[in-house]
Amino acid sequence: NAGVTQTPKFRVLKTGQSMTLLCAQDMNHEYMYWYRQDPGMGLRLIHYSVGEGTTAKGEVPDGYNVSRLKKQNFLLGLESAAPSQTSVYFCASRDRDDIQYFGAGTRLSVL
Amino acid sequence: QQQVKQSPQSLIVQKGGISIINCAYENTAFDYFPWYQQFPGKGPALLIAIRPDVSEKKEGRFTISFNKSAKQFSLHIMDSQPGDSATYFCAASTNAGKSTFGDGTTLTVKP
Repeated sequence: NAGVTQTPKFRVLKTGQSMTLLCAQDMNHEYMYWYRQDPGMGLRLIHYSVGEGTTAKGEVPDGYNVSRLKKQNFLLGLESAAPSQTSVYFCASRDRDDIQYFGAGTRLSVL
Repeated sequence: QQQVKQSPQSLIVQKGGISIINCAYENTAFDYFPWYQQFPGKGPALLIAIRPDVSEKKEGRFTISFNKSAKQFSLHIMDSQPGDSATYFCAASTNAGKSTFGDGTTLTVKP
């Protein structure tokens, strides 16, 4: 049972480049989340999904897009990366008891 | 407007001592209050959680105290061990599935 898997683990982008972060969960959870973690600021919700085909904005959605075409996958896209998007990104899925299971994170640097 | 305020930002405790981390929330719609533990380079993992119908929950050395009228909850780590050294996040969730995290507390337990 892999849980929540994020790819890639590390990435360096130049300003203006685009990329997609992939999150996959094998626990059949309906809810999935994308957070960013910056020093001293905890986890901030970017976008989330309450089920296949649905997405919603979180606290800091600007500059990001998401898709949930399959229940097990939740993709986070950066269309034109900016240095302010340098961060550690975490994906999570939530079970029926409200417990969130996090991936190991993606460390992104935008130069 | 920060909905969940966590303190202290950092905490140093001697081995065997008690670690106490506090959180305060504003939104009375929150109905689930988890604490997550995060080790360097890893994603957060659920440590212990409480719902507002009880005032205290204990699991081993970890206890959550919850004060609904004051809108505050705290994590107590008894007999703190060096292996407890990590970053701790409180969070608060609504039944709509969105979670708000505190900024985190870095705990160092000295041997």
